[in-house]
Amino acid sequence: EVQLLESGGALVQPGGSLRLSCAASGFTFSNYAMSWVRQSPGERLEWVSTISDSGGSTYYADSVSGRFTISRDNSKSTLYLQMNSLRAEDSAIYYCAKDIPPWAVAIEFDYWGQGTLVTVSS
Amino acid sequence: IVMTQTPLSLSVTPGQPASISCKSSQSLHNDGKTYLYWYVQKPGQSPQLLIYEVSNRFSGVPDRFSGSGSGTDFTLKISRVEAEDVGLYHCMQSIQLPTFGQGTRLDIK
Repeated sequence: EVQLLESGGALVQPGGSLRLSCAASGFTFSNYAMSWVRQSPGERLEWVSTISDSGGSTYYADSVSGRFTISRDNSKSTLYLQMNSLRAEDSAIYYCAKDIPPWAVAIEFDYWGQGTLVTVSS
Repeated sequence: IVMTQTPLSLSVTPGQPASISCKSSQSLHNDGKTYLYWYVQKPGQSPQLLIYEVSNRFSGVPDRFSGSGSGTDFTLKISRVEAEDVGLYHCMQSIQLPTFGQGTRLDIK
């Protein structure tokens, strides 16, 4: 059974930093691209970032480019999102999501974690 | 690519059909594949994949769910709504970096 378990969400002040983690199990993590998608109250889902199976390629939404960094540790089956220079508009539930096909970067998702809440406020 | 769903909410009697439309601002078809997906987010849960590539039901999805469409116009249909279908339905395109529709909230009359 595929499981994705996010952690690291917290209340942080504007301009602060936070690192999210997503622990994966139930599939061969190193074979799949992984992504972060966020959801703010009353807003549509927003794709944030994707990393290839090897970690060699990364992709970012314009809204977070230059502030967020996605990474992975395939030996630990864990995905990360380092978030710097946080803004109020970054407040959201952050989900990690697994790509559908192996050995490709398709950025289409079959399994999602339960999410972790990030609140940016003074 | 802008994804537009209609309606934004619908209330359905159990056993009755339901239909949700999703329109994209550009064609989602390329090289033999159409990059349109449907997800449902049940109350208090994360999104779950229902339909991939327009019309393919994901593993474990009941056959009362069906997807159709082409180009820029797509539809998710539920043939007979059940109480467990309550939730927020999202369409998503991935022919470019993914974007989602606004979501359609389904509840039971």
